Amino acid sequence: GNSVTQMEGPVTLSEEAFLTINCTYTATGYPSLFWYVQYPGEGLQLLLKATKADDKGSNKGFEATYRKETTSFHLEKGSVQVSDSAVYFCALSWNTGNQFYFGTGTSLTVIP
Amino acid sequence: DTGVSQDPRHKITKRGQNVTFRCDPISEHNRLYWYRQTLGQGPEFLTYFQNEAQLEKSRLLSDRFSAERPKGSFSTLEIQRTEQGDSAMYLCASSRDPREFFHTEAFFGQGTRLTVV
Repeated sequence: GNSVTQMEGPVTLSEEAFLTINCTYTATGYPSLFWYVQYPGEGLQLLLKATKADDKGSNKGFEATYRKETTSFHLEKGSVQVSDSAVYFCALSWNTGNQFYFGTGTSLTVIP
Repeated sequence: DTGVSQDPRHKITKRGQNVTFRCDPISEHNRLYWYRQTLGQGPEFLTYFQNEAQLEKSRLLSDRFSAERPKGSFSTLEIQRTEQGDSAMYLCASSRDPREFFHTEAFFGQGTRLTVV
């Protein structure tokens, strides 16, 4: 079946540190891949997406590359800020599908 | 505000009571989804609508749960005879039809946090 596996948190980084949050997926074919972010007390917001192999999604300094060969979509940012503290969710969906499949989320705390 | 809105934001209810939540999707979106999220977990799919038709329900959606989208616009999720295990954040999302708009993303509301005491 379809599933998304994320690295377990929580992750704590100092401001300006490099961030990697790992995400791998199990699916047949070529799903669309997404990263969503959830700030405390809020709903999920789309951070970035990629729709085919080798595509790179980017937004607000975050990047993720769709790697078909490793079935991965790792999230990276070169220099994190305190305001990046949130929970990050990796997700996939299908054009012919009925839902979005989410990972369990990775909590990030950035300390000054 | 043209985003997805949910009402109420918070609901505290006694075990055994019925509750109803409302979701207003983005107006041009004909897909509407309900998800449930518990602490430390990702959203779990409950059900989705294509316009007014409810096309799939998760096995998580017991007989006590019912969802409607009567005119293909807003949706309601009702939980009857609530149990403490129903305590969670209930998220609504909407999207364009992915069969027509490939790779489209879902837009989420801020959720309704239900606490059953």
